[in-house]
Amino acid sequence: GENVEQHPSTLSVQEGDSAVIKCTYSDSASNYFPWYKQELGKRPQLIIDIRSNVGEKKDQRIAVTLNKTAKHFSLHITETQPEDSAVYFCAARTSYDKVIFGPGTSLSVIP
Amino acid sequence: NAGVTQTPKFRILKIGQSMTLQCTQDMNHNYMYWYRQDPGMGLKLIYYSVGAGITDKGEVPNGYNVSRSTTEDFPLRLELAAPSQTSVYFCASSYASGTIQFFGPGTRLTVL
Repeated sequence: GENVEQHPSTLSVQEGDSAVIKCTYSDSASNYFPWYKQELGKRPQLIIDIRSNVGEKKDQRIAVTLNKTAKHFSLHITETQPEDSAVYFCAARTSYDKVIFGPGTSLSVIP
Repeated sequence: NAGVTQTPKFRILKIGQSMTLQCTQDMNHNYMYWYRQDPGMGLKLIYYSVGAGITDKGEVPNGYNVSRSTTEDFPLRLELAAPSQTSVYFCASSYASGTIQFFGPGTRLTVL
């Protein structure tokens, strides 16, 4: 069935360093890939998304890359700050209109 | 706009009891979703709806039922609650497939 894998499950970086989170998906028909950030006790909120006709998208310190051939996409956060500490989820829209989430990456930014 | 609202915020159920989790959105979104999030885990899709009168199963539908009689409301029904249904339940909505999902604040459910 449809599946989204995400690595690593936990990630610690020093403030100012970069963080990279990688995801793979199984449904080759997937064409929309959002990333959500969830702070402790809060609801998930979209931070960036990418569609299958685009290879890369940037928004200030956040960027997402997509490799359709390999069926994987990545989130890059540069110049990390303590407020970037949260759980990050990747997701993929499947061919049946479902949005399947990865298991999440807990990012800790150490001041 | 209130966005996506959920009630109740918290609930404790006894095994075998039933309840309905309410979800309402005021953004005129066609798509609505129910997810559950177990402690320290990701979001699992329970059911989703692409419009009023249309619902479909997600990844983990067993033990749940939904209905979508209006665009605004998408209630989730738990019949015969079990401890395995202890979780945080999030409702979400989006204008269309492949667009931003807006999440509600969640309902924390404990089944004892």
